Amino acid sequence: GDSVTQMEGPVTLSEEAFLTINCTYTATGYPSLFWYVQYPGEGLQLLLKATKADDKGSNKGFEATYRKETTSFHLEKGSVQVSDSAVYFCALHTGGFKTIFGAGTRLFVKA
Amino acid sequence: GAVVSQHPSWVICKSGTSVKIECRSLDFQATTMFWYRQFPKQSLMLMATSNEGSKATYEQGVEKDKFLINHASLTLSTLTVTSAHPEDSSFYICSVSSSGSGSGDEQFFGPGTRLTVL
Repeated sequence: GDSVTQMEGPVTLSEEAFLTINCTYTATGYPSLFWYVQYPGEGLQLLLKATKADDKGSNKGFEATYRKETTSFHLEKGSVQVSDSAVYFCALHTGGFKTIFGAGTRLFVKA
Repeated sequence: GAVVSQHPSWVICKSGTSVKIECRSLDFQATTMFWYRQFPKQSLMLMATSNEGSKATYEQGVEKDKFLINHASLTLSTLTVTSAHPEDSSFYICSVSSSGSGSGDEQFFGPGTRLTVL
């Protein structure tokens, strides 16, 4: 079945460091890919998405490129801030109604 | 995007009592809503898909008699945890899909309800 695999956390970085959170997927068909973010004590919110191969989603300095050949959708940010501390979920949606989430990666950014 | 609210945001109850959680889509008519459960430091587990005017579709392993879902209108779905026990303590999150079929649709999530059963 469809699945999403994320790198295990927590990831701890200093402010202004470069961030990469790896995400790979398995799916039949042509899924859309998403990154959701959950700040402490809050629900999930969409960070960025890509709907087809080679698309790049971007938002708030975060980027991820839909790589069909490597079935990956890695999240990157060039310079993280303390306010980026949160849990990040990679997800896929193959149509219909279900979204498949990865396990989540907790990010801590130190000042 | 759609704005989704949940009520209450936090509830503590005694073991054996029932708790109702509301999920409202404030600016979007949602024929389908989803209920998730999130354990501490873990991912979201889809519990059920709630369809307006019909019975919910439960995921494997989720007790439908324990987690009662009602989707009586296009803007409201409720999850009732019946005869709650401490192991039901969790963070419950609802979401709505931006439309019914397209693969590019995102989900809009409520802020979650933290249930603690004593």
